[in-house]
Amino acid sequence: KNEVEQSPQNLTAQEGEFITINCSYSVGISALHWLQQHPGGGIVSLFMLSSGKKKHGRLIATINIQEKHSSLHITASHPRDSAVYICAVSPTSGSRLTFGEGTQLTVNP
Amino acid sequence: SAVISQKPSRDICQRGTSLTIQCQVDSQVTMMFWYRQQPGQSLTLIATANQGSEATYESGFVIDKFPISRPNLTFSTLTVSNMSPEDSSIYLCSVEEGIITEAFFGQGTRLTVV
Repeated sequence: KNEVEQSPQNLTAQEGEFITINCSYSVGISALHWLQQHPGGGIVSLFMLSSGKKKHGRLIATINIQEKHSSLHITASHPRDSAVYICAVSPTSGSRLTFGEGTQLTVNP
Repeated sequence: SAVISQKPSRDICQRGTSLTIQCQVDSQVTMMFWYRQQPGQSLTLIATANQGSEATYESGFVIDKFPISRPNLTFSTLTVSNMSPEDSSIYLCSVEEGIITEAFFGQGTRLTVV
């Protein structure tokens, strides 16, 4: 079992829909990261959080440390949101970042 | 936040040749990380590059195949040597900064070996 599990693996939505991507982890962490990877391969850091909730534009990330679970929400989705979204954790053990397998999001116009 | 310039963005290479990927950071960082992402898979750490010392390689990766240079605190290169089609992947460099480290990535190099 992977230390970081994401769901769903693939998600197709219509423009304007509210989207949720989930991430569960099994290790102690100092932080959780949500990353966005575009088709060219480059990765952008969307959020780093260790508790509570963060919001940036149409993106919201939440984390429940007790339940070892995080969600990434996209409100009013748009085709330009189409990308792979990756959850990663910084383990308290000092190991390097541990990545989930990513969620491929496609938003159709 | 750190800005990382990675090049080339993509390349198609012949079997048996080598490719060197460069990453330039806009600030001084202690550690730089090199990742491989095989098609449809998550990122796998190849090695950690420290300035002034040899890189630290993860299990399954060796210096002869993936030599790394780190001549200063803002620059690193990864070479993929004696390439085979199995080396076709996206390669990414990354830095982490802060007490609780935020991660920053280069634009990625999409390598195809034919």
